[in-house]
Amino acid sequence: QKEVEQDPGPLSVPEGAIVSLNCTYSNSAFQYFMWYRQYSRKGPELLMYTYSSGNKEDGRFTAQVDKSSKYISLFIRDSQPSDSATYLCAANTGNQFYFGTGTSLTVIP
Amino acid sequence: KAGVTQTPRYLIKTRGQQVTLSCSPISGHRSVSWYQQTPGQGLQFLFEYFSETQRNKGNFPGRFSGRQFSNSRSEMNVSTLELGDSALYLCASSGGLQETQYFGPGTRLLVL
Repeated sequence: QKEVEQDPGPLSVPEGAIVSLNCTYSNSAFQYFMWYRQYSRKGPELLMYTYSSGNKEDGRFTAQVDKSSKYISLFIRDSQPSDSATYLCAANTGNQFYFGTGTSLTVIP
Repeated sequence: KAGVTQTPRYLIKTRGQQVTLSCSPISGHRSVSWYQQTPGQGLQFLFEYFSETQRNKGNFPGRFSGRQFSNSRSEMNVSTLELGDSALYLCASSGGLQETQYFGPGTRLLVL
């Protein structure tokens, strides 16, 4: 079992839709949780990170961590074609980082 | 503050050759990690260096090696290249609290 599991998709939504991306993890020692966005043939770009449980909002993006169910979520409101990318979730024990395999998202104009 | 930089950006090699990739972390970051990314396997952790010492290592053969210099710049070397080594090689750096990593643009390696 991988430390961080992520549905690879692909996910296709119309412009303006609310997108929900999800990951599960198995290691209770994870302290920090991250979401990265990766455009084709580019390096991953950090979108946001959270510490422990709770929500964090940044513009149209909301990251949510539920440590009781070991669930990580990223919500994108009013999705735009420019949001089309692969989204990677990640978690960190403070010592090593673990990544999901990424979910491919396409926002259709 | 400048981001993580990687050179070269693209590389074509033939089987059996060796290659050296370079990474300059964000100024002040002392931790540098290397990853291999392929469409089928996603991000695979190679190794992490902190203050010139390898602190963590992934499950890759000994053909993959790295080092870190006193200015935190890091290099990764792959010897005796195989076709399966074709991938995007990513470098990421972390600050003191290690709360997250910042990635460079990657080096795309093609082995023919």
